[in-house]
Amino acid sequence: EAQVTQNPRYLITVTGKKLTVTCSQNMNHEYMSWYRQDPGLGLRQIYYSMNVEVTDKGDVPEGYKVSRKEKRNFPLILESPSPNQTSLYFCASATGSKVGNIQYFGAGTRLSVL
Amino acid sequence: SQQGEEDPQALSIQEGENATMNCSYKTSINNLQWYRQNSGRGLVHLILIRSNEREKHSGRLRVTLDTSKKSSSLLITASRAADTASYFCATALNTGNQFYFGTGTSLTVIP
Repeated sequence: EAQVTQNPRYLITVTGKKLTVTCSQNMNHEYMSWYRQDPGLGLRQIYYSMNVEVTDKGDVPEGYKVSRKEKRNFPLILESPSPNQTSLYFCASATGSKVGNIQYFGAGTRLSVL
Repeated sequence: SQQGEEDPQALSIQEGENATMNCSYKTSINNLQWYRQNSGRGLVHLILIRSNEREKHSGRLRVTLDTSKKSSSLLITASRAADTASYFCATALNTGNQFYFGTGTSLTVIP
């Protein structure tokens, strides 16, 4: 089954404790992206990757890191989480190198930073 | 920011009625897409309309695009309770590789 898998689905952590949210897709998609969703703000793009070893900032990259060492994986790293990073996070992937292609989303990771 | 705005923020209708939601954006686009999100879950793609298209249909969905007004509308005809969800527009620009989502419309269809 074609899917984007995020782990964990729920995470509670404390300020400053490094964490990684994993994202994996089995559709051989070139494009992958991370978003955060906050009430009243819709989804905002954090980082995206056009292909292996190619990553770029979205609208809200501060406080986040990503890497794309393999085509299927695109982890999101919070080196020193802060309470303002409490949010619902989504990973997505899309075929082709053009951002306008249809995106497929993971089920989401709900993060709380205390 | 290019981020779109959707109108209305919330919409409540009776089953069988039509639902219309609108999306406005700020800069020229390559295409505009509509996505659906059931409460707290991942988004699901509904329909894509390119900048050179004015109208597109998919089942009970009808999307229009007016590039001169930088706006789009999504019409769901003969709504069902199962259509209850949040709906987001998303734009891909002509330049760059970012993707911008609107703030969403929360639709409630009352049985």
